[in-house]
Amino acid sequence: NAGVTQTPKFQVLKTGQSMTLQCAQDMNHEYMSWYRQDPGMGLRLIHYSVGAGITDQGEVPNGYNVSRSTTEDFPLRLLSAAPSQTSVYFCASSYKNYNSPLHFGNGTRLTVT
Amino acid sequence: AQSVAQPEDQVNVAEGNPLTVKCTYSVSGNPYLFWYVQYPNRGLQFLLKYITGDNLVKGSYGFEAEFNKSQTSFHLKKPSALVSDSALYFCAVRAPYSGAGSYQLTFGKGTKLSVIP
Repeated sequence: NAGVTQTPKFQVLKTGQSMTLQCAQDMNHEYMSWYRQDPGMGLRLIHYSVGAGITDQGEVPNGYNVSRSTTEDFPLRLLSAAPSQTSVYFCASSYKNYNSPLHFGNGTRLTVT
Repeated sequence: AQSVAQPEDQVNVAEGNPLTVKCTYSVSGNPYLFWYVQYPNRGLQFLLKYITGDNLVKGSYGFEAEFNKSQTSFHLKKPSALVSDSALYFCAVRAPYSGAGSYQLTFGKGTKLSVIP
């Protein structure tokens, strides 16, 4: 089992560019989510999905887009990158069982200049 | 809205001494509580959870946590700290189920634990 795989590990963008952060899991988890981690802020939820075709906004969704066409994949799109989106992004997944813990990927470190 | 507070940004403890990392929460109803650990340049790893039942929960790597409903706390503990326990620790809370949005897990800001040899 690879678990939760995130690509790329590092990315540098210029302001206004767009890109997609990839996330894939091989555990047949129904629930998938994206968090961003900033110093002193902890982790903040961007978007989440409880199954293929179902997505919803978290705490900080502005500037990000998601879709869930398969159970395995949950890509995060930055539509027009801004310096405020410089952060470390984590994808996490779990079973839809309400007490299931999240499994995290190793993160994507994004810098927007 | 649910929230988590970790009042200490950093905790320093000598190797072999007991350690405590504090967490308090705010949520409507009975909480689902979790502790995670993050090593440098890695994602978070699950340590333990409280759902219901015994207030003392045991988890991975010798860690345990005590749920206190009256104080709305869920402190992480370990009887004897190891240098390898040095990492960033996050407490998280989930509210009782009330629809798809309930799956949201709210994290504290993290506490950096340094175990000194």
